[in-house]
Amino acid sequence: DAGVIQSPRHEVTEMGQEVTLRCKPISGHNSLFWYRQTMMRGLELLIYFNNNVPIDDSGMPEDRFSAKMPNASFSTLKIQPSEPRDSAVYFCASSLGALEAEAFFGQGTRLTVV
Amino acid sequence: GENVEQHPSTLSVQEGDSAVIKCTYSDSASNYFPWYKQELGKGPQLIIDIRSNVGEKKDQRIAVTLNKTAKHFSLHITETQPEDSAVYFCAAGDYGQNFVFGPGTRLSVLP
Repeated sequence: DAGVIQSPRHEVTEMGQEVTLRCKPISGHNSLFWYRQTMMRGLELLIYFNNNVPIDDSGMPEDRFSAKMPNASFSTLKIQPSEPRDSAVYFCASSLGALEAEAFFGQGTRLTVV
Repeated sequence: GENVEQHPSTLSVQEGDSAVIKCTYSDSASNYFPWYKQELGKGPQLIIDIRSNVGEKKDQRIAVTLNKTAKHFSLHITETQPEDSAVYFCAAGDYGQNFVFGPGTRLSVLP
């Protein structure tokens, strides 16, 4: 298996624009997690899905952030409108079962909002 | 909620020496303590974990110890190699739920 696949790897956008980050989890995994990593705040869990259903979105910072998982093989994290403070590396991870502990991470998307 | 501190923030060791990274946590209900290694340009990778009913766990050159009374746990890497250079994160929480990551330690192994 190719592992968790995220796209794009790098994204540069202007403030106010909509940004969509994409994730393809490992086939057969039924839990998916979105994280944000910054120097100031470290690694933070934003939201996680189990069987395509959002279970906990308490880490989503603002209403500008939204995430969807329309099927078992695809998820998106959208920021609309984007702001410079959203600049970070966003990771997607997936696990077999509901355990964050056993999640495999993708390589991340580095987002820069100018 | 849980709060995890990690020290040191940076660590340099000579190849072949040992490296120790320490973490403390605040929530006595936490029962699961994983450690992740993050190489440049990659996502974190789980390298070892320990649960609260175990005091020590070892896997080849890496080991983790846990002191639940003092609420701290440590990662030990022996016989360090240049490929051990990375950022290491500890985390604490409930095995079946979400957990909180420490701020990370940048380890450099000097040849």
